[in-house]
Amino acid sequence: EAGVTQFPSHSVIEKGQTVTLRCDPISGHDNLYWYRRVMGKEIKFLLHFVKESKQDESGMPNNRFLAERTGGTYSTLKVQPAELEDSGVYFCASSRYMTEVYEQFFGPGTRLTVL
Amino acid sequence: KQEVTQIPAALSVPEGENLVLNCSFTDSAIYNLQWFRQDPGKGLTSLLLIQSSQREQTSGRLNASLDKSSGRSTLYIAASQPGDSATYLCAVRRPRNDYKLSFGAGTTVTVRA
Repeated sequence: EAGVTQFPSHSVIEKGQTVTLRCDPISGHDNLYWYRRVMGKEIKFLLHFVKESKQDESGMPNNRFLAERTGGTYSTLKVQPAELEDSGVYFCASSRYMTEVYEQFFGPGTRLTVL
Repeated sequence: KQEVTQIPAALSVPEGENLVLNCSFTDSAIYNLQWFRQDPGKGLTSLLLIQSSQREQTSGRLNASLDKSSGRSTLYIAASQPGDSATYLCAVRRPRNDYKLSFGAGTTVTVRA
């Protein structure tokens, strides 16, 4: 079974530019989550999809961040326009739905650097 | 708001010694707790998940205990090896309808050959 995959692995952009991160969850996992770790801080929750619906977006920092999950498969996280403080590692995770355990499996992350 | 603390922040031990990693959380009303391993520049690998109703979970040389009432979990790694060098993170999930994980800052472990 393939794990969670993320693309790109690294992205370096200028302040004010737009970047789109992609996440492909484990096949059959209806729950999809975005997290990020900014410099020196803990990993923080951004949002949670159940299939194509946003279940919880309480961790999204501001309206420069837009997450989508069309068709309930892969998800994208767009940052527009990017600011210096958006630099960090963005992780995607997935888990099964309607199960007792809800173990979350994480992807390798996308390292975003905003110059 | 759930706060998760991991002590120590870093640990260096000689090969063969047992490792004890601590995790504490402020809100005891959790659904489960996960321990992860992260290698430099890599993603998170799930090691063990303990449901709130369980006291411990074991996988090979790893054993994780949970004392929900006191807000603590401990990860034990027996007979450490250089390959165990990594950052270990604990994360807690709140009750059933809140899926987000709250992470600690991690403990960076170095096992010296």
